[in-house]
Amino acid sequence: EIVLTQSPGTLSLSPGERATLSCRASQSVSSSYLAWYQQKPGQAPRLLIYGASSRATGIPDRFSGSGSGTDFTLTISRLEPEDFAVYYCQSLYTFGQGTKLEIK
Amino acid sequence: QVQLQESGPGLVKPSETLSLTCAVSGYSISSGYYWGWIRQPPGKGLEWIGSIYHSGSTYYNPSLKSRVTISVDTSKNQFSLKLSSVTAADTAVYYCARRLTVAGPGDYWGQGTLVTVSS
Repeated sequence: EIVLTQSPGTLSLSPGERATLSCRASQSVSSSYLAWYQQKPGQAPRLLIYGASSRATGIPDRFSGSGSGTDFTLTISRLEPEDFAVYYCQSLYTFGQGTKLEIK
Repeated sequence: QVQLQESGPGLVKPSETLSLTCAVSGYSISSGYYWGWIRQPPGKGLEWIGSIYHSGSTYYNPSLKSRVTISVDTSKNQFSLKLSSVTAADTAVYYCARRLTVAGPGDYWGQGTLVTVSS
């Protein structure tokens, strides 16, 4: 079973800054099955990135995904106030434990 | 616009079977895609439970496989989850979602329903 480890657990940044979130897999995964989600309190997860680097419909271009094999990254180029949330990576039937992006 | 809506009891007794239904609107299940269930214990992370295709083909998370049944009713455009022998550890918000492929991401999600296991 694949284990996805996200880092950092919590990331404190200010609006306008760049955020870099990491997702490391315990074994190589196909990029086709690597996705990123954003979840705000009381809401369902929202798909941001699929296939490691493709933005889902309606997702702003400040969100980008990259990586392959065991190391994947979600980058938010310039943080907007609405971007502060919890972010999860997912591959096949496994989710990472999440990274909480909080306002500094 | 694709919309999903979960429904079912919010309280289930230990050792009983949890049953939920997901009604889909704005898209015909028979047209394709996979349809899945995900859960999230309070304050914790996400866990895929399983997925089903309109033909009835299923895939279950190995950790839950012995207790899970997912079925589809294309005439009602809905699919269902049954989880047997529940314990307090099954208390969670349960989401239904459309999956791009059998093991791909979920692009449309329901708003979730909290199911509490307690006597």
